[in-house]
Amino acid sequence: DTGVSQNPRHKITKRGQNVTFRCDPISEHNRLYWYRQTLGQGPEFLTYFQNEAQLEKSRLLSDRFSAERPKGSFSTLEIQRTEQGDSAMYLCASILEQAAYGYTFGSGTRLTVV
Amino acid sequence: QKEVEQNSGPLSVPEGAIASLNCTYSDRGSQSFFWYRQYSGKSPELIMFIYSNGDKEDGRFTAQLNKASQYVSLLIRDSQPSDSATYLCAVSIGGYQKVTFGIGTKLQVIP
Repeated sequence: DTGVSQNPRHKITKRGQNVTFRCDPISEHNRLYWYRQTLGQGPEFLTYFQNEAQLEKSRLLSDRFSAERPKGSFSTLEIQRTEQGDSAMYLCASILEQAAYGYTFGSGTRLTVV
Repeated sequence: QKEVEQNSGPLSVPEGAIASLNCTYSDRGSQSFFWYRQYSGKSPELIMFIYSNGDKEDGRFTAQLNKASQYVSLLIRDSQPSDSATYLCAVSIGGYQKVTFGIGTKLQVIP
């Protein structure tokens, strides 16, 4: 495992549908982060996990969003009843708790809500 | 006031010149500072991190940190067309390693 893996790479969905994204972090990394990036903006923090525990959620994460990290391995981000404003790149990053360096990001999932 | 501020650019420099990218941050408790490079349609890639006041050099890249002025900069020497990308400044406050990003500065290196 040489990097953070995200699937799918692209997702087009109709407004009102539910979507789920998956992130597989670097295997020894115990911290996992979800960010959202819209065009012309920097990534915005959504939530993070230490092992299986979700320790912080941004106010950006409305009730339609839910994230899980069962067993502290892969993570899923689900968006229910998608809206056009949810169209963005969803980025996952992982890092070791003790690490002094920055995140490693996955390739991202680009969501388009039509 | 935004937590991390960058000029969105574009910043245009000729090939071979020094590109200077700047960033200011608002939280004096910030401890860790990062520069990410992001090519169009791709995810951010970490290129530099710095924790202490002063300069840190890695190849053609130099990161500069001035905590008193709450200012971080990235210098790219001998700029190449392949350096054309958006450069994101990012700041972390503490132990949770949660990073706050600026909007990024678009750099264009003209051949």
